[in-house]
Amino acid sequence: KAGVTQTPRYLIKTRGQQVTLSCSPISGHRSVSWYQQTPGQGLQFLFEYFSETQRNKGNFPGRFSGRQFSNSRSEMNVSTLELGDSALYLCASSLEDRTYEQFFGPGTRLTVL
Amino acid sequence: QKEVEQNSGPLSVPEGAIASLNCTYSDRGSQSFFWYRQYSGKSPELIMFIYSNGDKEDGRFTAQLNKASQYVSLLIRDSQPSDSATYLCAVNRNNNDMRFGAGTRLTVKP
Repeated sequence: KAGVTQTPRYLIKTRGQQVTLSCSPISGHRSVSWYQQTPGQGLQFLFEYFSETQRNKGNFPGRFSGRQFSNSRSEMNVSTLELGDSALYLCASSLEDRTYEQFFGPGTRLTVL
Repeated sequence: QKEVEQNSGPLSVPEGAIASLNCTYSDRGSQSFFWYRQYSGKSPELIMFIYSNGDKEDGRFTAQLNKASQYVSLLIRDSQPSDSATYLCAVNRNNNDMRFGAGTRLTVKP
């Protein structure tokens, strides 16, 4: 079974631009979560989608948004990029069962200049 | 108070020793608990999950959970240099609302 895939793997943007990242979950997984990882803040939860609905949300500004499609694929968008948005963005998928084991994709490395 | 706290380390153990990693969490209603291993430049990899009080063993790894003390630990027996990585504790608060600790960096010296 294929793992979680994320595209693109690397991105370079400038301040003020916007960016869209994509995540395809493991087949059969309907929950997709997004995280931001930086050396200073660690792994921070952005939001989680299930059945095309945002079910959980972390403490990030409204510039960070996401959506999920009927095939469970998900996108996240960051508008008006800031230097501090430079990070590794990770997507994880899980089955909807009581354990919620999450499996991560390889991540998208975003650099904001 | 942070939602999930771990000692940042680094924790250094000799090859063959037991490595002990600890984690505390603040939300008493949390339901399931996870340990991830992350090698430098790679994404986190799930090692263990536990949701009942007590111990859970899987090969060289044992996860321990004490909900009354809001404490989770991971023991790695017969540590190998390949175990050198950052170990992340994660807590599922409710319906896949997952929070991570900052991670403990483990070095296993040959």
